[in-house]
Amino acid sequence: DVVMTQTPLSSPVTLGQSASISCRSSHSLVNDDGVTYLSWLQQRPGQPPRLLICKVSNRLSGVPDRFSGSGAGTDFTLKISRVEPEDVGVYYCAQSSQIPYTFGQGTKLDIK
Amino acid sequence: QVQLQESGPRLVNPSGTLSLTCTVSGGSIITTNWWSWVRQPPGKGLEWIGEVYQSGSTNYNPSLKSRVTISIDKSKNQFSLKLNSVTAADTAVYYCANLWVPPGDWGRGTLVTVSS
Repeated sequence: DVVMTQTPLSSPVTLGQSASISCRSSHSLVNDDGVTYLSWLQQRPGQPPRLLICKVSNRLSGVPDRFSGSGAGTDFTLKISRVEPEDVGVYYCAQSSQIPYTFGQGTKLDIK
Repeated sequence: QVQLQESGPRLVNPSGTLSLTCTVSGGSIITTNWWSWVRQPPGKGLEWIGEVYQSGSTNYNPSLKSRVTISIDKSKNQFSLKLNSVTAADTAVYYCANLWVPPGDWGRGTLVTVSS
């Protein structure tokens, strides 16, 4: 299985400041079709997860441009600029390049 | 926008079978999407269980493969999960979802408790 490792596991952030979450995979996520299937999901308290970014850097419709994804191969980053109260929750990276699909442990973002 | 809703028993006896159904509304289940089941033990992270395609083709997590069956009923716009020989370790919130294709729809999840 591809192991997804996120750091940090907890990220207290001041409102208006930036937050950065790192995700490292145990194997390259470049699929046979040349596409890297790395996604980021947000889970707000008491809610189901929500897909924010797919294929490393493609932000979904309705996701604020404060969210950006980057990376390649085995190293990926989610950056949240100008953190707002609605950003509180747990963020997961996930890979769908290989079965079984796997998720990172989650990074809890809260406000200082 | 497509909506997903999980349904089924919330309490299952140890060694019994967990059965859940996901009803897709606001759109057809016959798409290019694979439909997945994901679970989340209380206070913990996410685990992918498996997926089904409109053709009935399936992929499963090897860690659960011997106990899992996922099926699709196109006439009812539903897909289903069966997990047998359950133990307390299978207690979790179970989600049905279109995981990867935007907009990445998820059900609200249903907590299933394994207990006598």
